Amino acid sequence: EPEVTQTPSHQVTQMGQEVILRCVPISNHLYFYWYRQILGQKVEFLVSFYNNEISEKSEIFDDQFSVERPDGSNFTLKIRSTKLEDSAMYFCASTGEFSGANVLTFGAGSRLTVL
Amino acid sequence: GESVGLHLPTLSVQEGDNSIINCAYSNSASDYFIWYKQESGKGPQFIIDIRSNMDKRQGQRVTVLLNKTVKHLSLQIAATQPGDSAVYFCAERPIGGTSYGKLTFGQGTILTVHP
Repeated sequence: EPEVTQTPSHQVTQMGQEVILRCVPISNHLYFYWYRQILGQKVEFLVSFYNNEISEKSEIFDDQFSVERPDGSNFTLKIRSTKLEDSAMYFCASTGEFSGANVLTFGAGSRLTVL
Repeated sequence: GESVGLHLPTLSVQEGDNSIINCAYSNSASDYFIWYKQESGKGPQFIIDIRSNMDKRQGQRVTVLLNKTVKHLSLQIAATQPGDSAVYFCAERPIGGTSYGKLTFGQGTILTVHP
């Protein structure tokens, strides 16, 4: 079964450092997403990406965050200067054409710990 | 208001019992609802979905019921098994968003199935 893969599974970083989380979406999917889940809290939408541009973003996704699809397979989330409150589980997700697949497939997540 | 933090609702059942997990959603304009299952250390996994023009949908051992009048969603699991133990999230998608994968997740319910 196709899956979304994420790396690293866990990253520990110092406050103020830059972090890049990587995702390989399902190969024939066209819509890509980042969500985050602070420990014990809800899964929250961060950003959606389609046709090489952001289609929607939440208020959480401020200027410290950016996304990129540098090649035909990877989808990255960059946090420029991490804060303690960025500690969370970050999930990448993808889906195919809207008409055929509303279902998001999530990766296993990347746990970010900011010290 | 929303409740946050570590105190998720919990449901404990015996193996073989039927389970019912409830969710109150917030946006009467939402047109699509999904139940996700999240096992420890994994990303959310799709279980079943339902559109707002339906009030019931059945899958394998699972049924989703939608009551738009009171903005209530429920997930019924028949013959619950130990492998069903997980956190269950409902999610909704508001009409009119530009991103079809922008979901708003509920808080989650911890289901524990005892052998």
